[in-house]
Amino acid sequence: QKEVEQNSGPLSVPEGAIASLNCTYSDRGSQSFFWYRQYSGKSPELIMFIYSNGDKEDGRFTAQLNKASQYVSLLIRDSQPSDSATYLCAVSPESGYALNFGKGTSLLVTP
Amino acid sequence: EAGVTQSPTHLIKTRGQQATLRCSPISGHTSVYWYQQALGLGLQFLLWYDEGEERNRGNFPPRFSGRQFPNYSSELNVNALELEDSALYLCASSLAGLTDTQYFGPGTRLTVL
Repeated sequence: QKEVEQNSGPLSVPEGAIASLNCTYSDRGSQSFFWYRQYSGKSPELIMFIYSNGDKEDGRFTAQLNKASQYVSLLIRDSQPSDSATYLCAVSPESGYALNFGKGTSLLVTP
Repeated sequence: EAGVTQSPTHLIKTRGQQATLRCSPISGHTSVYWYQQALGLGLQFLLWYDEGEERNRGNFPPRFSGRQFPNYSSELNVNALELEDSALYLCASSLAGLTDTQYFGPGTRLTVL
């Protein structure tokens, strides 16, 4: 069974701080990595994807990938209360295949 | 550009009945994926359709089935409903073969009584 692991949280950070969300995966052949945000009762919303080792920045979000360590993370700078949600890490073995999701980390940003 | 759409938003059925859920992908997307998200559980992959063909299915019994139509829309059928089928059913679409980024629809909330 190919696993994607995330701490369930909740991760609580004060407004304006950096939130760091982590994810590990077991399939060394994984090619693509995604972060989705899911508000309670809503569907997942794509935040970022990353394919290569290193960092990828998009606004307040930075995704980091380390394939050797089978680790992917998401940093959220200047966290806002509206960032409070569950963050899902998803891994794809290759293009077009179904995503394997972690169970998500609950983030709470306190004013 | 319109996103992925799903219907109905909510569906209430009783045990043993059949449910049909529908999904329209983003225009130009040929791949449709179905996922189940039961309360307290992560997203579980159900089915993947591309170009009208079933490409892969997850670890679900055969009473979960579906199809993809020539316009790339899809439907998911669940036969002989059981209480544990109560969940949020999510459809996602992508440009398979070009990118595997999947975009989700709003979901159908199925309640089995």
